[in-house]
Amino acid sequence: EADIYQTPRYLVIGTGKKITLECSQTMGHDKMYWYQQDPGMELHLIHYSYGVNSTEKGDLSSESTVSRIRTEHFPLTLESARPSHTSQYLCASQLGQATDTQYFGPGTRLTVL
Amino acid sequence: GENVEQHPSTLSVQEGDSAVIKCTYSDSASNYFPWYKQELGKRPQLIIDIRSNVGEKKDQRIAVTLNKTAKHFSLHITETQPEDSAVYFCAASWNSGYALNFGKGTSLLVTP
Repeated sequence: EADIYQTPRYLVIGTGKKITLECSQTMGHDKMYWYQQDPGMELHLIHYSYGVNSTEKGDLSSESTVSRIRTEHFPLTLESARPSHTSQYLCASQLGQATDTQYFGPGTRLTVL
Repeated sequence: GENVEQHPSTLSVQEGDSAVIKCTYSDSASNYFPWYKQELGKRPQLIIDIRSNVGEKKDQRIAVTLNKTAKHFSLHITETQPEDSAVYFCAASWNSGYALNFGKGTSLLVTP
């Protein structure tokens, strides 16, 4: 089934650990995004990609990095997790234009102790 | 860049009443205005969208209106039900824009 997937769904980790949040979509979409969202609050764009080998920083400064080696895969990495990184991370994808429907993944809820 | 303002931030209505959420945008180039609903613990999902060549669009109990001159658009929910309780986000974009610009969200509570 065409969808957008995120793993893990929940992650509790200690300060200083390196983590990678996975995001994959099976819809053949060119554009992919990462948002940071505290529950029920504003969506903050932290990274986006127009396609393979394209990555850009979003509006919210983030200490994370992303890569786009394959169309379907857009992982987000935190080299050294801190309690301030505790939040929900939502991945999204879109066909090609900013005016195409944007689909969200189920999210990863990250807690850094 | 585009700035989208959304009001109110919280809204409480009685079941069966109507709810209206309003958004304004700053960039006259914007031509796409989607609305997303996010239920507690779930992902945001598109519920309705409108493009700049249309002034109003309806889908059952949900409607969106667009006033390009005034640069504002609104979500109207009629005959509200408890399952309409959620956070609603408006957004704006244009064809060559890099991303959707989201409002800060409205938390809607429908009480029985």
